[in-house]
Order: sequence, then C-alpha cells, then structure tokens
Amino acid sequence: AQSVTQLGSHVSVSEGALVLLRCNYSSSVPPYLFWYVQYPNQGLQLLLKYTSAATLVKGINGFEAEFKKSETSFHLTKPSAHMSDAAEYFCAVSDPVTGGGNKLTFGTGTQLKVEL
Amino acid sequence: GAVVSQHPSWVICKSGTSVKIECRSLDFQATTMFWYRQFPKQSLMLMATSNEGSKATYEQGVEKDKFLINHASLTLSTLTVTSAHPEDSSFYICSRSSLYEQYFGPGTRLTVT
Repeated sequence: AQSVTQLGSHVSVSEGALVLLRCNYSSSVPPYLFWYVQYPNQGLQLLLKYTSAATLVKGINGFEAEFKKSETSFHLTKPSAHMSDAAEYFCAVSDPVTGGGNKLTFGTGTQLKVEL
Repeated sequence: GAVVSQHPSWVICKSGTSVKIECRSLDFQATTMFWYRQFPKQSLMLMATSNEGSKATYEQGVEKDKFLINHASLTLSTLTVTSAHPEDSSFYICSRSSLYEQYFGPGTRLTVT
C-alpha cells in the first residue's frame, strides 16, 4: 500500500521568502508523485508531477520539486512567495504499474499562509 | 481551460431527499472517472471509481446503495446521494483519468438541512 505524509498542516512565510512544503512517501515501487493546489471552494489544480523522468521537476507559478529516492521525499519549493500562493497544497502518489492517471492517495494537506 | 465540469457547483437539500451531481469530461472521452469527498479542512478521500459501461468500484466503507454512480457515456458520470442526511454534507469532487494524471472538476458543495 502507498501512503503520503505531509509534515506541517500549516506553514506561514513572509512575502518574498522561500516556500518549502514537505512530502514523504511510502511505496514498494518507485511511484508517480504529484503536487496539487486548492483554493477555497475550488477543485484541485496540478502544480507539477514526477513520472520517472528528471528528478527535478518544474511546475507552474514558479514551483518546483525534487524526487529523492534515498529520502523517499518530494518536497515542494518556491524561491519567493507571493500573496497569491496562499492556498492548500496536497501531495499525492499513484502506482506507476496501474498508471499515474489511476488511484491517487493524497496527503493530509498543508495550508500555506503568506504574510506581508 | 477547464477539462472537467461539475453541476451544480452548490446545492442545498432537505434531509431525506436525493441529490444528483453531474461530472462531465469536456475534452476527452473518459472511460474512467473518480469521485472524491472532502470534509472541511481535510484531505480528499476517494469514494469510488466510475467505469463507463460497467458498475462502479467503491472504496471500503463507502455505501454503494447510498452513493449511486452512473457512467452512462464517455463524457458523463453522475453521483446520486440518496436519502441525504446532514452528515452527507461535504464537498464532492470528480476527476477524469489520463495516462499520467487526473484532471479535477471544480467541486460541488452539498449542504443537507
């Protein structure tokens, strides 16, 4: 079975500061990994995904994440936070054997707050 | 633009009534779609996998008789909450599957009074 752990249910940063959202996974095989963002009362928008190609993945809105097999991690970063980044962020994992478009297991989410 | 739509975006119903939520794939014929439920400030929990032309596959603990899923065409899946109760109030989100990822709808807020 696969699982995802997001450390820190709430993260607060100053505008312009580094954003670091942590995600660790558990999987018996190298998984597909995803970061999604959710704004209030909206669905999920894909930020970026890792599907066994380059380990450093660049996504939308200046976000990137690095797949580290040795640490079983897929942390999300952004060099400079913007007020519009305030949202809920979910890390998710899927089994590449069944396809990245199939069952997703989500982490518990991290609420990012950006302060002036 | 959006590739998955949901209707309605929000609905209020009385306890004991049934509510149908539609999920449409706008750009792709989807043989597989997913239904999730999200409680306030919590993560998404997969309820069921909707399969075009066959029965849905429900996750453990989800009442199939209460949450009826129909995937009658390659672009439409529906979730019907039967005999709704206040504890069914939640945010319901659907998604459609592609090879490498899922595309999510905007969600439907259900409030049962």
